[in-house]
Amino acid sequence: RKEVEQDPGPFNVPEGATVAFNCTYSNSASQSFFWYRQDCRKEPKLLMSVYSSGNEDGRFTAQLNRASQYISLLIRDSKLSDSATYLCADVLDMRFGAGTRLTVKP
Amino acid sequence: NAGVTQTPKFQVLKTGQSMTLQCAQDMNHNSMYWYRQDPGMGLRLIYYSASEGTTDKGEVPNGYNVSRLNKREFSLRLESAAPSQTSVYFCASSREPGTSNNEQFFGPGTRLTVL
Repeated sequence: RKEVEQDPGPFNVPEGATVAFNCTYSNSASQSFFWYRQDCRKEPKLLMSVYSSGNEDGRFTAQLNRASQYISLLIRDSKLSDSATYLCADVLDMRFGAGTRLTVKP
Repeated sequence: NAGVTQTPKFQVLKTGQSMTLQCAQDMNHNSMYWYRQDPGMGLRLIYYSASEGTTDKGEVPNGYNVSRLNKREFSLRLESAAPSQTSVYFCASSREPGTSNNEQFFGPGTRLTVL
């Protein structure tokens, strides 16, 4: 059975901190992933895509490690508004992780 | 552009009742999906439709049926609701399944409670 797994957290960090989440996947053929952000009682929204070369968008960096079969999301200089649940998704299998909850505190 | 719309937003059913969840997208996407989201379980794929006229089972299809009415609309039917189907249901659409260009856009969800 193909799985996508995440540490559920919660991660509680102070404003300005750097925080990283990992997501492991079991399908060795998978090459493309997405990170989604989901606010409480809302639908998931795309944060960024992750391919072999990684991706950076402002304070957010996503990387793929195919040898160890995990993807990571790094958030620098955390803001209060970053508080949400972050879901990783395997594009090939259409599978989502259960999400990692982040709370950024003043 | 409304994106992906879902109706109803909330629904309470009694065990054994039936209902249909409606979903529509206006982005001319080929593929549409139905997920359920339960606490601690993440999003689980119920059914998907890679293109108009096709449907396929996902991870948790039992107790559900789907209809891809046309390119825009994809409905999910519960024939005989059970308490285990209490969940939040999300519809999503994307250009193509299983490709790197497969960003899925989600509707606002339907919160279903089965008593």
